[in-house]
Amino acid sequence: EVQLVESGGALVQPGGSLRLSCAASGFTFSNYWMSWFRQAPGGGLECVATINPDASEIHYVSAVKGRFSISRDNAKNSVFLQVTSLRAEDTAVYYCARDAFAYASDVWGQGTTVTVSS
Amino acid sequence: QSALTQPPSASGSPGQSVTISCTGSISDVGTYNSVAWYQQYPGKAPKLIIYGVTKRPSGVPDRFSGSKSGNTASLTVSGLQAEDEAHYFCTSYGTGNDFRVFGGGTKLTVL
Repeated sequence: EVQLVESGGALVQPGGSLRLSCAASGFTFSNYWMSWFRQAPGGGLECVATINPDASEIHYVSAVKGRFSISRDNAKNSVFLQVTSLRAEDTAVYYCARDAFAYASDVWGQGTTVTVSS
Repeated sequence: QSALTQPPSASGSPGQSVTISCTGSISDVGTYNSVAWYQQYPGKAPKLIIYGVTKRPSGVPDRFSGSKSGNTASLTVSGLQAEDEAHYFCTSYGTGNDFRVFGGGTKLTVL
């Protein structure tokens, strides 16, 4: 079964950091672009970061540039999102997803919640 | 404020057809054939239902169809069923500030 499982979400104070992880199974992970999305409570979707199969091409949404860092370990079938200098507006459910088609994600994890609050 | 503009709500009766619009600009929808649509139920992850403007992933019913004219993409749901009641989001590749831009989402209600 093709599956993505996120972990690492937590309640964190403003200015804090977290490392989100996403474990993939059921497909050849090293062949796919992978992305992290987020969705604020009651809000829309936002693609915060995307990484190509060999990590040579990475894109970030402007709101997180310089604060978030995406990486992957193809040997461990995992993709990561290091989030730093967290702000209240970063509060959201964070999803990882597989990009099977150009700029379209066909497999999603269940999400992990990041809450930034003092 | 979302880069792509969707109506906040849409509705239709069972069996009817409903079309949801997604308006962007020449920097995204108008130039690139990379429009995708996602269906999302409350508390669940999004599900891809249309990619490449008109293509359906395996398993998505052909009641869902996509199209594009100029800077506006559209999702049409034909033969509405109760299970189609959900939020729908559009997205496109873009060459503005962000490489993947999204609409704010449309809540589809089946009356």
